[in-house]
Amino acid sequence: GENVEQHPSTLSVQEGDSAVIKCTYSDSASNYFPWYKQELGKRPQLIIDIRSNVGEKKDQRIAVTLNKTAKHFSLHITETQPEDSAVYFCAATYSGGGADGLTFGKGTHLIIQP
Amino acid sequence: DTGVSQDPRHKITKRGQNVTFRCDPISEHNRLYWYRQTLGQGPEFLTYFQNEAQLEKSRLLSDRFSAERPKGSFSTLEIQRTEQGDSAMYLCASSPNPLAGGSGTGELFFGEGSRLTVL
Repeated sequence: GENVEQHPSTLSVQEGDSAVIKCTYSDSASNYFPWYKQELGKRPQLIIDIRSNVGEKKDQRIAVTLNKTAKHFSLHITETQPEDSAVYFCAATYSGGGADGLTFGKGTHLIIQP
Repeated sequence: DTGVSQDPRHKITKRGQNVTFRCDPISEHNRLYWYRQTLGQGPEFLTYFQNEAQLEKSRLLSDRFSAERPKGSFSTLEIQRTEQGDSAMYLCASSPNPLAGGSGTGELFFGEGSRLTVL
């Protein structure tokens, strides 16, 4: 089955600086890679996703890059703000084979220092 | 609130007892997922339904766990003979579109979760 590794487990950055979270996956058949944000005590919510036919996707201050050859993908947050503080999860799955269960990484606790 | 709702939000039980959780998905979503999340970990996939059909079950889902979605609407997750290792947050999520063929966003809409504590 799929295995997703996520680094770092904790990331502390100064407000206004950029943050980068990296994930690797094991199953070369995986073709869908979402990122979820989970604030303390709340439900995970999708913030951005990318499919394997695209190398990069951007939405305002958030971007995701995908390297299929190396089987890794990254989340980039620019101009970080206090409300960006949360746990971020990457995930991967193969869609199209009838099995769409996402495999999540263990999460990165992002701390934005004022 | 038209989001995914789960009940109960918290459950404390003694080892060996049975527990059942209910999930009501967003009404027009035909896909429903169950995940388990422990402290400091990402959600772990347990099972999912398309309408009333259970299409995939994780190896994590032992024979003490059973899930149903009898009419393709709400779903229940039952854990029999609970063990302390079952203590976790049980998350339900629903999705409007399958990912197959690149259609839809694939976004999962999660509920607030049902927290189980087994003493």
